[in-house]
Order: sequence, then structure tokens, then C-alpha cells
Amino acid sequence: SQTIHQWPATLVQPVGSPLSLECTVEGTSNPNLYWYRQAAGRGLQLLFYSVGIGQISSEVPQNLSASRPQDRQFILSSKKLLLSDSGFYLCAWKTGGSGANVLTFGAGSRLTVL
Amino acid sequence: EDKVVQSPLSLVVHEGDTVTLNCSYEVTNFRSLLWYKQEKKAPTFLFMLTSSGIEKKSGRLSSILDKKELFSILNITATQTGDSAVYLCAVEPSQGAQKLVFGQGTRLTINP
Repeated sequence: SQTIHQWPATLVQPVGSPLSLECTVEGTSNPNLYWYRQAAGRGLQLLFYSVGIGQISSEVPQNLSASRPQDRQFILSSKKLLLSDSGFYLCAWKTGGSGANVLTFGAGSRLTVL
Repeated sequence: EDKVVQSPLSLVVHEGDTVTLNCSYEVTNFRSLLWYKQEKKAPTFLFMLTSSGIEKKSGRLSSILDKKELFSILNITATQTGDSAVYLCAVEPSQGAQKLVFGQGTRLTINP
């Protein structure tokens, strides 16, 4: 069966420090991978998605970047965090291809920037 | 721009009540609508709807889609405290990388 791992679960970082959140998927190959952010009390905003190794699409201009160095690994990064980067970050995957498939989420990473 | 709007944003009811959550959408080339339940961390999948008028049901939860009027409802009957959560509605356009567009969510609180 497929599983998705996301870490760290919580993170407190000072303004201006770097960030790296990691997500890996097991039990599937060539998945579509996604990073969403959820501000307090709000819905999910899509940040990045990837349909293959090295292929990254950005949905909103921002202080963050994403990379996919391996088929089942997706990394969210920042060189210098801003206060506005605080939030709950969710990694998700779904089967690649054009079919209608359910998006499955990781447990999330709660980032607080002070 | 694709858009999903949920209402109400917040709802507080007593255990045993029936609730209806609403989701309206505007999307280019609709493929599917999904409902998720989010308690503390990861949203968990409830339903996927692709056709109008066909009710999906799972225990006390049910959902239906109206593709003409561009909305869906999620019903929960005989609510329990364990139903307390944020319920998220999302729509998948048929073009692009199958990325979901989410609504703001409805925070449902069930009081004993």
C-alpha cells in the first residue's frame, strides 16, 4: 500500500533563516506531487506541483521554492524566511496520468516564523 | 480564475442534529468535486463526485452534486462529537496537472 511521509512535523524558525521541508511517498511510482499551504482558519492554497523528476510548476509568486530530486521525493525550501511564511504546509500525492484520482495528504508541517 | 466557495464558514450544533454544508464552484472544464474531513492534521478523503444527481453515501454522511447549478452539499445526520472537524470542498478541473482548487472550509463543532 502507498504511504506518504512528511517532516518535520513542527518547526520554529527566526526570520531570515533557511527552510527545508521534506516529503516522500512509498508504494507507487511516478506520482504527481503537491505542496499546499493552509493559513489559520482558511482553506488550502496550492504552492507547487510536480508531474516528474525535475519538473516543478509554481502557482503563486513567493519566497519559497520546490525541488524533486527523485521520483518519490518532494522538497519545499526557502533561503530566507519571512513572517508571512508561517502556516501549515501539506504535501500530497496522487497517481500520475490523466485519470480522476483522489489526492492523499501527508500529516503536515507546522511552521512558525518569529 | 477557478473558484470554490463554502458556506457556512462555521457551524455549531448539538449532538444528534442534522447538518448541511454547502459548496459552490466556478471552474473551467469540470472533472470532479471532492469532500475532505480535516480534524487536526492531514485532510482525509470522504467523497468524489463526478455526475449530477447521484448521491454518494457512507454511513451518516452523504453528498450530491448539481453540475447545472454548480454546487454540492454534504449532509451529516445524527451528528456525533467525533464529526467535529473542518470540512473541505475541492474541485478538479479537467485540464492541467489535476490540481485541486479548495474552498475555505466549514468548521463544524458538535456540542454534547
